Amino acid sequence: AQKITQTQPGMFVQEKEAVTLDCTYDTSDPSYGLFWYKQPSSGEMIFLIYQGSYDQQNATEGRYSLNFQKARKSANLVISASQLGDSAMYFCAMRHDTYTGNQFYFGTGTSLTVIP
Amino acid sequence: KAGVTQTPRYLIKTRGQQVTLSCSPISGHRSVSWYQQTPGQGLQFLFEYFSETQRNKGNFPGRFSGRQFSNSRSEMNVSTLELGDSALYLCASSFRQGSTEAFFGQGTRLTVV
Repeated sequence: AQKITQTQPGMFVQEKEAVTLDCTYDTSDPSYGLFWYKQPSSGEMIFLIYQGSYDQQNATEGRYSLNFQKARKSANLVISASQLGDSAMYFCAMRHDTYTGNQFYFGTGTSLTVIP
Repeated sequence: KAGVTQTPRYLIKTRGQQVTLSCSPISGHRSVSWYQQTPGQGLQFLFEYFSETQRNKGNFPGRFSGRQFSNSRSEMNVSTLELGDSALYLCASSFRQGSTEAFFGQGTRLTVV
């Protein structure tokens, strides 16, 4: 069964500091994608970063990077130089690259609060 | 380009009524999937459409149904509403199945009273 685990219900970080949000996953399928989304209080899920299971290098998108450790089945999100606007819920998600099913499996989320 | 558009943003319905939610994906995107988000259950998959065909369905009762039109716009319908159907309903848009990006709309917040 596919499963995403986010063990940090809430995190606090000082403005301008870096923070790591943890995500582990469980799948027996060799082909999958890992995503991180940000959900502010408005409700919209904002796409942050993607990592494919066959990608050799860790994904980066601006201040976001994904620390992908395939053997440990972890896909932690690193946010550098935190800003007040980064305060939100963050969801890790996995999706399999098949043509018979393409749904996301989401973790329970981590609430990040950036302190001025 | 325009993002994923969900309408309406907010809805209040009475138990027993039915409701239809709409999702217009990003232009050129053919894959649309729907999710229900509640504080207790988190984000749960409802169904997925690609080129007007339902590809996958989550574990929801038959009161939940959906469809996709030739222009890739999708609707979901919930009949005989229950209090537990109160949730944020999100739709996601992808160019194709297996895309490295998937974009969500702002969601429709449904309240059943």
